[in-house]
Amino acid sequence: DIQMTQSPSSLSASVGDRVTITCRASQTINTYLNWYQQKPMKAPKLLIYGASSLQSGVPSRFSGSGSGTDFTLTISSLQPEDFATYFCQQSYSAPTAFGQGTKVEIK
Amino acid sequence: QVQLQESGPGLVKPSQILSLTCSVSGASINIGSYYWNWVRQPAGKGLEWIGRVYTSGSTNYNPSLKSRVTISVDTSKNQFSLNLNSVTAADTAVYYCAREQERARGDAFDVWGQGTVVTVSS
Repeated sequence: DIQMTQSPSSLSASVGDRVTITCRASQTINTYLNWYQQKPMKAPKLLIYGASSLQSGVPSRFSGSGSGTDFTLTISSLQPEDFATYFCQQSYSAPTAFGQGTKVEIK
Repeated sequence: QVQLQESGPGLVKPSQILSLTCSVSGASINIGSYYWNWVRQPAGKGLEWIGRVYTSGSTNYNPSLKSRVTISVDTSKNQFSLNLNSVTAADTAVYYCAREQERARGDAFDVWGQGTVVTVSS
């Protein structure tokens, strides 16, 4: 099975900061990588699919990049509503798997 | 738009069966290229995929749970269900149902239910 590892597990940032979260797969997954945002007591929300495609309705300050085993989620200018936990997910092969999450907190 | 809603008991006794249903509204479960999934999340932890069903009835399960899981679909009721048997405290979690859309650039879970808390305790 493919394992997904995110870093860091948490970070503190201020409104307006540029934030980068990394996700690494245990084997190549091409660009079959999705990113989700989860707020407390809420279901995850799809942000990015196919490593770099923005889901409809998601603000353009979110972007994704990468291929193979290394991927990045970037928030270009952090907004108050972006404080949440972010998960990556590989959809290359079954069983699908999620990273352990990165919690973005207010500095 | 499409909405998903989980329902079922919030408390299950150890060794018994956890049964949940996900009702789909806003569209027919039969239309489109979608898989219908179950995902769970223990308190304060990450997301674990349980399994999925296609409207044809074909299923895929997480190998770690495969021996205990059954997922089925009822197209006449526009819903799908999860049965997890022989539960223990380790199965205590928030359970989500989610729609998985087939895309050229890779499938993704684009619609989620709000989640339902299931506690395994005597």
